[in-house]
Amino acid sequence: DTAVSQTPKYLVTQMGNDKSIKCEQNLGHDTMYWYKQDSKKFLKIMFSYNNKELIINETVPNRFSPKSPDKAHLNLHINSLELGDSAVYFCASSQIPATNEKLFFGSGTQLSVL
Amino acid sequence: TQLLEQSPQFLSIQEGENLTVYCNSSSVFSSLQWYRQEPGEGPVLLVTVVTGGEVKKLKRLTFQFGDARKDSSLHITAAQPGDTGLYLCAGGPGTYKYIFGTGTRLKVLA
Repeated sequence: DTAVSQTPKYLVTQMGNDKSIKCEQNLGHDTMYWYKQDSKKFLKIMFSYNNKELIINETVPNRFSPKSPDKAHLNLHINSLELGDSAVYFCASSQIPATNEKLFFGSGTQLSVL
Repeated sequence: TQLLEQSPQFLSIQEGENLTVYCNSSSVFSSLQWYRQEPGEGPVLLVTVVTGGEVKKLKRLTFQFGDARKDSSLHITAAQPGDTGLYLCAGGPGTYKYIFGTGTRLKVLA
C-alpha cells in the first residue's frame, strides 16, 4: 500500500499547454510538499502546505498553482508550460512541519515539455 | 540563504572499497538528514542527526554530524552494488523548509 502516490508517472506535452499532477498520502500527515528535481538531480522545494494551508511558496512562478482539497491531497496545476519546466516533480509529506521529521516521497512525475 | 554542498559529486568504486561523502555548509542547521534515491524513485530517509558531534551507524553506513552543526559525513564500509544510488543530505532551520544538498552519485561496480 503506497504511502505517497502521485500521478501520472510520466507527462509529455507541448509548450503552452496546461497540465496537472495529483498527489495523495495515506499516512495521516499534516504537512505536504512539492519539490522539483532538475537534470543535475538538485532537489528544490516549491511549496509547503500544513493542514491545507499554504505555508511556503518558494518564489515559484504564478503559472504553478497548488491546490489542497483536504490534508491528504496536494495537487499541482501548471499553466502555459515552458521548456524550462521540464524536470521531475516530487510530492512529499511529513507528520509535522519540522525539519528533523522524516519526509516521505512519492515516486515522482517526469515532465517533458516539447 | 542556506546552502548544502556535497562532495564528491560523482563516485565510482569497486565492490569492497570504503568511501566517504561530505555535506558542508557555512550555516548552522538544527538537524541534518541523509537520503538515498534510486532511479525512478523518490528519496528515502536513511538517518537524522540532531546533536553536534553525534555519530549514528546503520549496518555498514556511519553518519556523523559536525560539532558546530554545519557539516556532516557519510562513510560506507565495504561498499556493495546495492549501495549504488544518489545520496542527498538535507537540513533546515527548524520548520517547513528542508534544503537539500547538491547530491553525490555513487556507483559500486561488482
